[in-house]
Amino acid sequence: QKEVEQDPGPLSVPEGAIVSLNCTYSNSAFQYFMWYRQYSRKGPELLMYTYSSGNKEDGRFTAQVDKSSKYISLFIRDSQPSDSATYLCAMTSTGFQKLVFGTGTRLLVSP
Amino acid sequence: DAGITQSPRHKVTETGTPVTLRCHQTENHRYMYWYRQDPGHGLRLIHYSYGVKDTDKGEVSDGYSVSRSKTEDFLLTLESATSSQTSVYFCAISGSAGGASYEQYFGPGTRLTVT
Repeated sequence: QKEVEQDPGPLSVPEGAIVSLNCTYSNSAFQYFMWYRQYSRKGPELLMYTYSSGNKEDGRFTAQVDKSSKYISLFIRDSQPSDSATYLCAMTSTGFQKLVFGTGTRLLVSP
Repeated sequence: DAGITQSPRHKVTETGTPVTLRCHQTENHRYMYWYRQDPGHGLRLIHYSYGVKDTDKGEVSDGYSVSRSKTEDFLLTLESATSSQTSVYFCAISGSAGGASYEQYFGPGTRLTVT
């Protein structure tokens, strides 16, 4: 079993929809959680960072962590075609030298 | 791409040949990483460096070696390439303030095909 599980998709939604992307994990020591966005044939870029449990909002994006369920989510409101990309969750316990990434969910937002 | 370049960007090589990939940064970040990305596996850490001549293994280090003789350069070597090493390789950097950071900046990637 992988430490971090993520549905590969693709997830197809119409423009303006609310998108929910999720990861589950097995290591209860994880306490730092990140979402990276990766456009086709590009390197990933950090989108959101959350420490421990709770919510964090940045514009149209909200990251949510439920440590009791070992479940993290990324919500995208008013989705745009430019949001079409692969979204990778990443997490670590102490220190940031070794991030564990999910496999990524491919999101397609149609106009 | 935050001052990170990777070379070559594309390479096709034959099984059994040595291959060296180069990552160059202009950001003076302390930490440098090599990942490979494969369908169904996501990003997996191969090796990382926390300073000049200081390196450590990641999750999938077998068959790979690294060297860092200067802050700005991190080399990944496949001593004898195998078809299972066909992948997209990403370099990343972090730690502008000296310590490791949750934010890693990724390079554009190198597509390596081993025939």
